Amino acid sequence: EIVLTQSPGILSLSPGERATLSCRASQSFRSDYLAWYQQKPGQAPRLLMYGASRAPGIPDRFRGTGSGTDFTLTISRLEPEDFAVYYCQQYSSSPKTFGQGTKVEIK
Amino acid sequence: QVQLVQSGSELKKPGASVKISCKASGYTFDVYSLNWVRQAPGQGLEWMGWINTKTGNPTYAPGFTGRFVFSLDTSVTTTYLQINSLESDDTAVYYCARGGMVWDDYWGQGTLVTVSA
Repeated sequence: EIVLTQSPGILSLSPGERATLSCRASQSFRSDYLAWYQQKPGQAPRLLMYGASRAPGIPDRFRGTGSGTDFTLTISRLEPEDFAVYYCQQYSSSPKTFGQGTKVEIK
Repeated sequence: QVQLVQSGSELKKPGASVKISCKASGYTFDVYSLNWVRQAPGQGLEWMGWINTKTGNPTYAPGFTGRFVFSLDTSVTTTYLQINSLESDDTAVYYCARGGMVWDDYWGQGTLVTVSA
């Protein structure tokens, strides 16, 4: 099973700042097989990125990069609606696994 | 538009069973597999497994074998999650999500299952 470790656990930033979220895997896999989700309180997760592609309707301030075991989600300039919990997920091998999440909170 | 609509909240006693539904619409049902994901209170997301909507074949993640059953009724484009012998640790929100062994692009709204004596 591929274990995904996200860091930091909590990221305290102000609107307009850049957010850099890390997802590290216990085994190497292609970046095509990594997704990122955003979850707000009381809501279902929402797909942001799959591989290097943004899901439909996701603004271009979201960018996914990385390869091997180290992956990053960057939000170039935080908007008020971006404060949420973010999860990475690998679908390279079964079982699919999620990271434990990074909470982006308002500083 | 693609929609996954789940059944409502459930309150069950330990040892009972529960069956949650997830009705898909807005796309061809058997083209995409469906996943189940658990989220315990205040916790992260756990992938439970998926069901192939063309064959009905389920795949369960480790930790979700035995008491958990995925099923389908293609005539009503619905997938089901049944949990038997409920335990207090099964208290969680359960989501269905479209995707199988790829990314999950559409999610149901979630079903809260509370297990309490």
